Amino acid sequence: DGGITQSPKYLFRKEGQNVTLSCEQNLNHDAMYWYRQDPGQGLRLIYYSQIVNDFQKGDIAEGYSVSREKKESFPLTVTSAQKNPTAFYLCASSQDRGRDGYTFGSGTRLTVV
Amino acid sequence: RKEVEQDPGPFNVPEGATVAFNCTYSNSASQSFFWYRQDCRKEPKLLMSVYSSGNEDGRFTAQLNRASQYISLLIRDSKLSDSATYLCVVFTRGTGFQKLVFGTGTRLLVSP
Repeated sequence: DGGITQSPKYLFRKEGQNVTLSCEQNLNHDAMYWYRQDPGQGLRLIYYSQIVNDFQKGDIAEGYSVSREKKESFPLTVTSAQKNPTAFYLCASSQDRGRDGYTFGSGTRLTVV
Repeated sequence: RKEVEQDPGPFNVPEGATVAFNCTYSNSASQSFFWYRQDCRKEPKLLMSVYSSGNEDGRFTAQLNRASQYISLLIRDSKLSDSATYLCVVFTRGTGFQKLVFGTGTRLLVSP
């Protein structure tokens, strides 16, 4: 079955560490997105990519980095520059730039310890 | 002003009740509209698209009023399993690209 796979489901990061969240899709979607969700808040766009080898900053890109070397993969690195990284991270993909909606992965819950 | 605004709730209703959620959006050029459902600590899932003519899917009815920039979701005969957060989502043109904009969600609690 087609879908989006995020891993790991839970991740613990020590202060000052970089961590990478994986996102893989087999839907043949061109566009992929990373969102952050904090308790009681809406989704905030971190980065998006509409085509391989191209990506753009979203609304809260500081402290994050991404790559898009393959159509299927869009990993997100949370760097030590991100001062408040504890959150629920959601990856999504879409065809036609999202006109028909996004499909989400099951998310990664990142906690700083 | 937020691009998509929703009443955060929570809406507490008994099983069998009818409940309605409202949402307003600020960009008159918005093109597509959706309701997503998000369960606690899970990802959002598409519940239904919203069309100008209104559309229904079982107990769920969605309406769009482009003139008032207003979207609604009606749930009839509420079930315990309907307890979730409902996100109003709008496909619109942002700065440089088109994107989905998510409301912060309306929380529904259905009790026995």
